[in-house]
Amino acid sequence: EAQVTQNPRYLITVTGKKLTVTCSQNMNHEYMSWYRQDPGLGLRQIYYSMNVEVTDKGDVPEGYKVSRKEKRNFPLILESPSPNQTSLYFCASSLWAGGRIGELFFGEGSRLTVL
Amino acid sequence: RKEVEQDPGPFNVPEGATVAFNCTYSNSASQSFFWYRQDCRKEPKLLMSVYSSGNEDGRFTAQLNRASQYISLLIRDSKLSDSATYLCVARGGGNKLTFGTGTQLKVEL
Repeated sequence: EAQVTQNPRYLITVTGKKLTVTCSQNMNHEYMSWYRQDPGLGLRQIYYSMNVEVTDKGDVPEGYKVSRKEKRNFPLILESPSPNQTSLYFCASSLWAGGRIGELFFGEGSRLTVL
Repeated sequence: RKEVEQDPGPFNVPEGATVAFNCTYSNSASQSFFWYRQDCRKEPKLLMSVYSSGNEDGRFTAQLNRASQYISLLIRDSKLSDSATYLCVARGGGNKLTFGTGTQLKVEL
């Protein structure tokens, strides 16, 4: 089954404790991206990747890191989480064809609470 | 001004009604547009792409008005299962995708 898998789905942590949210897709998609969704603000892009070893900042990259060492995986790293990073996070992937991003396939989301 | 703006709703409609949402975008260079559907606490899923000529998929019709910089989504014969949040998405130069905050639809008996 074609899917994007995120882990963990739910996490409560404390300020400053490094954490990683994993994202894996099995559709051989070139493009992967991380979003956060907050009430009244909609989905905002954190980082994206066009392919292996190619990553770039989205609209709200501060406080986050990513890596793309393999095509299927795109982990999101919070080196020192703060309460303002409490949010619902989505990973998404897409084909990259003809210079265009196609349909975005989203993971089920990771709800993160930073105390 | 937000790049993509939507009325948050909620739109409360009876089953069987026709309902329409508009979404305005500020970047005239936006090239493509989409409607995504998001159920409560779930991930967004593509509902339909929006083409210049408009497109229809069953009870759903999407249209683009470049002159006025808005796209619309029309749902005919609303079903209870149509209750969700509908996200408008614009793709600009450099393949940047910008999401609206969504319009909530509640279809009632």
